[in-house]
Amino acid sequence: QQPVQSPQAVILREGEDAVINCSSSKALYSVHWYRQKHGEAPIFLMILLKGGEQKGHDKISASFNEKKQQSSLYLTASQLSYSGTYFCGTAASGGSYIPTFGRGTSLIVHP
Amino acid sequence: GAVVSQHPSRVICKSGTSVKIECRSLDFQATTMFWYRQFPKQSLMLMATSNEGSKATYEQGVEKDKFLINHASLTLSTLTVTSAHPEDSSFYICSAEPDSNQPQHFGDGTRLSIL
Repeated sequence: QQPVQSPQAVILREGEDAVINCSSSKALYSVHWYRQKHGEAPIFLMILLKGGEQKGHDKISASFNEKKQQSSLYLTASQLSYSGTYFCGTAASGGSYIPTFGRGTSLIVHP
Repeated sequence: GAVVSQHPSRVICKSGTSVKIECRSLDFQATTMFWYRQFPKQSLMLMATSNEGSKATYEQGVEKDKFLINHASLTLSTLTVTSAHPEDSSFYICSAEPDSNQPQHFGDGTRLSIL
């Protein structure tokens, strides 16, 4: 079942922060985050495999709340290069490990 | 990092033509590859899971006779859209993973336009 992402779109100025949420109706085994620029392939950002896990590099990080069946992606001090569509993919516990992707969150960063 | 190559990047052809898309993992072996379709401003929809040496597993609603998948080796999977029609126009993306629980690495996608 497709996870629900919110918000659908975010418009920021360079240097501002953003949070993108991903929630599922099912218990989750893993959460995957990707960013896709228009007309290009999705680029892997990070994968979270355990409840309570937090990961990050540079100024992009994510958390995984297993109890709430949700994950959040945090973009701090956003850069122009952060613009794109962010997809979360979730794999349900006890099901296929292959992630099902949400509808995406469009992020636009202005100078 | 892992690299997945997809070819061709763009196809424009007449209705009724069959189109073959190749997906190669360049620096790792992939027992499993995945084929997705993405319509404009939509999500990545999994079409099928390609398994080396065995039949592909198709998602519900995907016609296996129309979207032929062959995974001939550990580094190559092909998707053939048979007798393509305008409604098949879309962005097709393949991905491969070095191992389960490892992130998928996506190819650059193939934009298919059927006239």
